[in-house]
Amino acid sequence: KNQVEQSPQSLIILEGKNCTLQCNYTVSPFSNLRWYKQDTGRGPVSLTIMTFSENTKSNGRYTATLDADTKQSSLHITASQLSDSASYICVVSARQNNNDMRFGAGTRLTVKP
Amino acid sequence: GAGVSQTPSNKVTEKGKYVELRCDPISGHTALYWYRQSLGQGPEFLIYFQGTGAADDSGLPNDRFFAVRPEGSVSTLKIQRTERGDSAVYLCASGQGTTGELFFGEGSRLTVL
Repeated sequence: KNQVEQSPQSLIILEGKNCTLQCNYTVSPFSNLRWYKQDTGRGPVSLTIMTFSENTKSNGRYTATLDADTKQSSLHITASQLSDSASYICVVSARQNNNDMRFGAGTRLTVKP
Repeated sequence: GAGVSQTPSNKVTEKGKYVELRCDPISGHTALYWYRQSLGQGPEFLIYFQGTGAADDSGLPNDRFFAVRPEGSVSTLKIQRTERGDSAVYLCASGQGTTGELFFGEGSRLTVL
């Protein structure tokens, strides 16, 4: 069983609408959680990195939240744009070393005009 | 270069052939990672280099896979006797040290016929 589960698997929204993507993890111990955006045919690009003590972090229209007690994170996208269409991948690190990163399968977001 | 560069971007080969995939990391980045990503899945860790040595190769699926980084910069992922199941996008990422931000390349899409 994957230690990082994302939902929904895919999502279609209209341009201008908001949406929230979910990430649940069982990775332990916990060091940090990252959200990446991956456009089709491209490599992942980092959106946010949060450590245990951080509850929320924003990057423009992207806001990530973290509840380390319930082991849940969310990525909220406000005022969606067509360019937001991509896969959003949640990544949890068990240790500070990057070679212990556990990747979720991603949520495929499609923003339609 | 400005970012992580991977070549070739696409490679089609026949079952049983030998393949090399190249990764040119961001200048000065000591850490280099190889991942494999199948369609609809998140990246799967293969191997991690810190400098010239493979610090963690626990993700390599079998002995047909090998990677080198002889001068601590460019890395080559080598796949012998390719199988259809090796078809995937192979992503390379680099970073400064073992923590902090990782920067991904665009990936090399391998198709084994």
